[in-house]
Amino acid sequence: QVQLVESGGGVVQPGRSLRLSCEASGFTFSRYGMHWVRQVPGKGPEWVAVISHHGRDKYYSDSVKGRFTVSKDFAKNMLYLEMNSLRPEDTAVYHCAKVQGAVGAPGPADYWGQGTSVTVSS
Amino acid sequence: DIVMTQSPDSLAVSLGERATINCKSSQNILYSSDNKNYLAWYQQKPGEPPNLLIYWASTRESGVPDRFTGSGSGTDFTLTISSLQAEDVAVYYCHQYYSSPYSFGQGTKLELK
Repeated sequence: QVQLVESGGGVVQPGRSLRLSCEASGFTFSRYGMHWVRQVPGKGPEWVAVISHHGRDKYYSDSVKGRFTVSKDFAKNMLYLEMNSLRPEDTAVYHCAKVQGAVGAPGPADYWGQGTSVTVSS
Repeated sequence: DIVMTQSPDSLAVSLGERATINCKSSQNILYSSDNKNYLAWYQQKPGEPPNLLIYWASTRESGVPDRFTGSGSGTDFTLTISSLQAEDVAVYYCHQYYSSPYSFGQGTKLELK
């Protein structure tokens, strides 16, 4: 069965960096794109980034463009989110999620991890 | 950017009654080349990530009870729960995956009356 397990969250000062990881299992990682979605407790989800199945196409929300970088390690079945120049408004639970459609086919996020919490505060 | 607006923000419905949640996109999300609406509905319960209910505006995800129905096209969409069960109490979100940046509605909180 599909499993997505995030890690790497924590408390970090504004302006610093953090790298989130997502370990994927139960599906062919190279055939599916992956999302990062964040959510402040009590608020709605906010889409952050998506990476294509082959890793060459990446798209970001305006709020993180130029600061965050999404990547895949196919050998390890790992998804990453490198977050630089962090701001207090980046505080949220970050979820990785699998794109429903295979090999570039579009689709929503169908499986989600439980998330890892990021707090940006001095 | 496409803005998704849901109505109402909250809704109280009696057990066995119908619940209707609306979602409006600021731009057309019907892709002409495949005639599909790039719209999904999620259910979220406290402490859990969102759970996919409906995609392509009206296709039920595997395992989702048939009391959940999605409808609409273009810019106006509806999620209907035909006969509310206690386990349906949750927050519901619509989501467009037509174009980046992808976006979610603000959510509709569904409660028991």
